[in-house]
Amino acid sequence: DQQVKQNSPSLSVQEGRISILNCDYTNSMFDYFLWYKKYPAEGPTFLISISSIKDKNEDGRFTVFLNKSAKHLSLHIVPSQPGDSAVYFCAASESGGTSYGKLTFGQGTILTVHP
Amino acid sequence: GAVVSQHPSRVICKSGTSVKIECRSLDFQATTMFWYRQFPKQSLMLMATSNEGSKATYEQGVEKDKFLINHASLTLSTLTVTSAHPEDSSFYICSARVRQTTGELFFGEGSRLTVL
Repeated sequence: DQQVKQNSPSLSVQEGRISILNCDYTNSMFDYFLWYKKYPAEGPTFLISISSIKDKNEDGRFTVFLNKSAKHLSLHIVPSQPGDSAVYFCAASESGGTSYGKLTFGQGTILTVHP
Repeated sequence: GAVVSQHPSRVICKSGTSVKIECRSLDFQATTMFWYRQFPKQSLMLMATSNEGSKATYEQGVEKDKFLINHASLTLSTLTVTSAHPEDSSFYICSARVRQTTGELFFGEGSRLTVL
């Protein structure tokens, strides 16, 4: 049962344009969401997060939007740069109880930004 | 800079041997660390939660006798893959929370295990 889904395995974008990566979740207990960037043979690098009490969080070129009613979140990167090319993972967690700190990851989306 | 450090980054071993992977939190104390595993082109799957001074909590389907976790200090957790088999070949990653008030995890660099 895939509780966090990234339905697009890959995304190709031109440099300078906006990259939009999407993520859907099914577990209504998730209340904290994160995006990670990962290069091959390396650990994931934290990018940005959002709590369920918000619907938007922005950090420089990265903005995460959360639509709780649709159980959907997205990561916007603008402007996209070739160095952004990597695998992007969406992750979710519950903030309370024994699940605190345990992340459930999506399958990842390979982003390629062309010069 | 890195806040979680993992060692070794790559290890190749023969089938039947045991391999230990270390995960250290740098400049902070981690009462809880998490071990993940990633198969090629797949997502990261949580294996177990490592608790300082107590037994690890394993996810369903993960053999605790196969994957021994020890969290002897507030800055070090170890994962030992015992009697390794080729199907244990994978990318193992540890993580820890820097702040207790958020669910944000920082990850180590990962360890690529290849069992021949």
